[in-house]
Amino acid sequence: NAGVTQTPKFQVLKTGQSMTLQCAQDMNHEYMSWYRQDPGMGLRLIHYSVGAGITDQGEVPNGYNVSRSTTEDFPLRLLSAAPSQTSVYFCASSSQDSNSPLHFGNGTRLTVT
Amino acid sequence: LAKTTQPISMDSYEGQEVNITCSHNNIATNDYITWYQQFPSQGPRFIIQGYKTKVTNEVASLFIPADRKSSTLSLPRVSLSDTAVYYCLVGVQIDKLIFGTGTRLQVFP
Repeated sequence: NAGVTQTPKFQVLKTGQSMTLQCAQDMNHEYMSWYRQDPGMGLRLIHYSVGAGITDQGEVPNGYNVSRSTTEDFPLRLLSAAPSQTSVYFCASSSQDSNSPLHFGNGTRLTVT
Repeated sequence: LAKTTQPISMDSYEGQEVNITCSHNNIATNDYITWYQQFPSQGPRFIIQGYKTKVTNEVASLFIPADRKSSTLSLPRVSLSDTAVYYCLVGVQIDKLIFGTGTRLQVFP
């Protein structure tokens, strides 16, 4: 049971480039979400999904797109990378039970130069 | 949104009990309190969750007073491997969970 898998682990982009951060879970969880973690700021919610075909914005959605075509996958797209998007990105999943805990991947460290 | 307040850092020695308190004054009636642990270069990991009174599992205890405006995570007999950042979250809805900056626990030999 792999849980939540994120790829790649590390990525360096130049300003203006685009890329997709991958996230997959094998727990049949309905809920999935993306967070970014910056030094001294904890984790902030970027986008989330409560099921296939349904996505919504979190606290810091600007510059990011998501889609949820399957229950298992929830990719995060950076359309035109900016240095301000340098961060560590975490994907999480949970079941739809109201108090279900979050299961996190091990993150993608992104640097935009 | 239920904002939480935790100490920024704590130090302890191996074998001691560590108590980390979290304040959440505007907790809602249906909110649960959940604690996560994060090691460097890893995602947060669920430790324990509770609604009221006391909850205990194999790694920690969670104490919640009757007014539920605070909670205390208790780690018995910590070891070096408990050095991590601990987050207290309040809420049930995925878009209402707020991660604060957490408490950085350093355990010394």
